[in-house]
Amino acid sequence: GAGVSQSPRYKVAKRGQDVALRCDPISGHVSLFWYQQALGQGPEFLTYFQNEAQLDKSGLPSDRFFAERPEGSVSTLKIQRTQQEDSAVYLCASSFGQGIYEQYFGPGTRLTVT
Amino acid sequence: AQKVTQAQTEISVVEKEDVTLDCVYETRDTTYYLFWYKQPPSGELVFLIRRNSFDEQNEISGRYSWNFQKSTSSFNFTITASQVVDSAVYFCALSEALYGNNRLAFGKGNQVVVIP
Repeated sequence: GAGVSQSPRYKVAKRGQDVALRCDPISGHVSLFWYQQALGQGPEFLTYFQNEAQLDKSGLPSDRFFAERPEGSVSTLKIQRTQQEDSAVYLCASSFGQGIYEQYFGPGTRLTVT
Repeated sequence: AQKVTQAQTEISVVEKEDVTLDCVYETRDTTYYLFWYKQPPSGELVFLIRRNSFDEQNEISGRYSWNFQKSTSSFNFTITASQVVDSAVYFCALSEALYGNNRLAFGKGNQVVVIP
């Protein structure tokens, strides 16, 4: 199908390791979002891209979190020096335009930091 | 402060019963959007509905219906004649125009368990 894809689906990292999570949005979608979902909670906003521009990164929990979307399509969320509290599901979503459109979510990457 | 409150954590119903999920939101914006998403056990969030703050008309889509009331800041969701496939976590979400983008603020979700 042509939905949002994310890789890897599961990632186990030792505390202190760096990880990179990939998101392939729906082709042609301008807007891309990253969310973090802790167990039993709703997703929490991390950051927003409009094409290649990162317009809102106010939800990133620390400077260990970094996201990019260099060509306005694929995006990578990088977490440096992972900590146990980073364990969560990381969801990527894309939407068609710049306005208020429904967001289509990927299956998420479950990150476990040991 | 929680912008979206879904008070019922887990709801169990017997198949064919109706179930209503409550969502109360908080915003100072006059322009905002409300959403419902379904998260089945597979984990992928599935979009169900979007409603803007200027449209209080209720909506029905098959067995799903939504009741939007600005006076009580509520956007409730009803599943009629529930089926086992409806078992999932349902999230209500709010998008406020003040952020200049479509970031969603989610509630904690309602876990719906439909018992056959």
